[in-house]
Amino acid sequence: QKEVEQNSGPLSVPEGAIASLNCTYSDRGSQSFFWYRQYSGKSPELIMFIYSNGDKEDGRFTAQLNKASQYVSLLIRDSQPSDSATYLCAVRAGGYQKVTFGIGTKLQVIP
Amino acid sequence: NAGVMQNPRHLVRRRGQEARLRCSPMKGHSHVYWYRQLPEEGLKFMVYLQKENIIDESGMPKERFSAEFPKEGPSILRIQQVVRGDSAAYFCASSPPGDRAYEQYFGPGTRLTVT
Repeated sequence: QKEVEQNSGPLSVPEGAIASLNCTYSDRGSQSFFWYRQYSGKSPELIMFIYSNGDKEDGRFTAQLNKASQYVSLLIRDSQPSDSATYLCAVRAGGYQKVTFGIGTKLQVIP
Repeated sequence: NAGVMQNPRHLVRRRGQEARLRCSPMKGHSHVYWYRQLPEEGLKFMVYLQKENIIDESGMPKERFSAEFPKEGPSILRIQQVVRGDSAAYFCASSPPGDRAYEQYFGPGTRLTVT
């Protein structure tokens, strides 16, 4: 079982819709959870982090964490074509600084 | 506040040559991480360093690869006797000390091509 699992996609959503990106992780002791956005040919950019169960909102982005289900998600409201990118889920295990990345989900927002 | 800087942005080496990749972390950041990414693949952790210390090199190939983060100057990822399979994008990330130590900020990457 991979430490951090994501569906590679592509996930296609129409412009203005909500894009829902999902991630599961295997280590129950994981403490910190991150979402990165990576445009083609560019470097990853940190867009959200969440440390506690529940929801965290930042503009059009909402991160959701459910530690009991070992599940973290990213919702993008009012999706725009400029949101088209690969979204990487990253998880840090407890008591340790190394962060493990998922393979990423490619999102395509169709105008 | 300048971001993470990497140079060169593109590097071409012939098989058997050495590649040196440099990374200057963001101001105030004391942790440096190196990752490798192949086309259409995820980020693979290579090594985590603090000043003058290698904290975790579990992702580094045992041979030909080494990394350092000296007291002064940038972090260096060194690949000796490069082979075609080393062709990839190499990203450096840095993070601040303290409570935000897990938030990694990435540099633009070095694209290594081995011919």
